[in-house]
Order: sequence, then structure tokens, then C-alpha cells
Amino acid sequence: EAGVAQSPRYKIIEKRQSVAFWCNPISGHATLYWYQQILGQGPKLLIQFQNNGVVDDSQLPKDRFSAERLKGVDSTLKIQPAKLEDSAVYLCASSLESLANDNEQFFGPGTRLTVL
Amino acid sequence: GEDVEQSLFLSVREGDSSVINCTYTDSSSTYLYWYKQEPGAGLQLLTYIFSNMDMKQDQRLTVLLNKKDKHLSLRIADTQTGDSAIYFCAESMDDKIIFGKGTRLHILP
Repeated sequence: EAGVAQSPRYKIIEKRQSVAFWCNPISGHATLYWYQQILGQGPKLLIQFQNNGVVDDSQLPKDRFSAERLKGVDSTLKIQPAKLEDSAVYLCASSLESLANDNEQFFGPGTRLTVL
Repeated sequence: GEDVEQSLFLSVREGDSSVINCTYTDSSSTYLYWYKQEPGAGLQLLTYIFSNMDMKQDQRLTVLLNKKDKHLSLRIADTQTGDSAIYFCAESMDDKIIFGKGTRLHILP
């Protein structure tokens, strides 16, 4: 079974530039998550999708971050414009259903973003 | 509030047991998790425990849950060099997972 795919693996940009990350979850997984992991910290949930609908985006900085999952499969996360404090690893995860049914989240390898 | 606390570093000699401790805040958490993260990789679920259990064993891994003290521990028996990684404690809350900052396990020869 193929795992969660993410691209690019690394990205370096200057502040105020825009950047987009892509995630392809495991086939058949309805729930998709984007996490931000700042160096030395645990992952923090940014947004959760159930199919193509947003379940939770309470911690997404909506003035600069946006995410979509138009067809309920792959997803993109965009930052526009980027700030220095956005430097982090952005992890995508997917699960069959939501956590309420105790479904394991499978994580991708992440995209390491460096903002200069 | 949401807070999962764990020590940042642990050094253990190869062959010894490693014990990683964690405290959490939400007494209503249904599940508590241990994830492993190796360099350059995403998180891998190692094990989880349902909140009505107090112990779970899976090969070299033993999870102990003290719900009264909101304390969770992960014991790795016969620690090997391949166990070197960051271990995250996490709790489920409102259909989300809240992670601790991770404990970096360093294996001494």
C-alpha cells in the first residue's frame, strides 16, 4: 500500500513570497490533515478535511494560509505571503475516517520550508 | 487548556530499558498515543492505549497509563540503536490529536 505522498520535500523562499505544498493521501482515506511542526516542537494541527469539506481550521492563520481539497482526494496548502516564523516542516496525514472511530493517522514525510 | 508535557532528552545504553514519561491535561481523552519520528521522516504510530486500560504490551513496548495522575509512560525493553528517534506523546481531544514536544532518545554504545 502506497503511503501519504508530499511534495516538494524541501523549499527555500524569501519572506513575503508565496509557496504551495501538495499532498496525496492514501487511497480511500476520507480524512486529511495538515500539521505545522516547528523545530523542537510537536506537530500542530492547521486544518482537517473530511472528504472535500473542512472539519476544523481553527488554528489556521487565515490571513496568509489557505488550503483546499477540491475533489476530496489530494490537497494543497498555500502560504501567501510567507513570514520568517513560517519556517517549519509541514506534515500531511490521512486516515480512513475521523478519530472518533479510532482510525490511525498515517503521516507523509513532510515538506521542510525555510523562509529567509 | 491543551498541554502535553514530556522531557526533551533521554540517553540510554544499548541493551538497557528506556522509559519515556508524559503528562497530559484532558481527563476526557479517549485515546493516548506514542509516535516515533526518525530524522527526515514523518511520524509513525508506535502504539496507543484506550483510556479505560492501565497497561498495554506489544513486543518490546509497554505502555502504562495512570489516569488519576494523567501520566503516561512508554517503556522500550532491550533498547537498540534503531530506537534512536524522537518520541511524541499525544492525546485525543475533540476529534483532534494534541502532541507533546517530543523526547529525543539517544542510544549510548
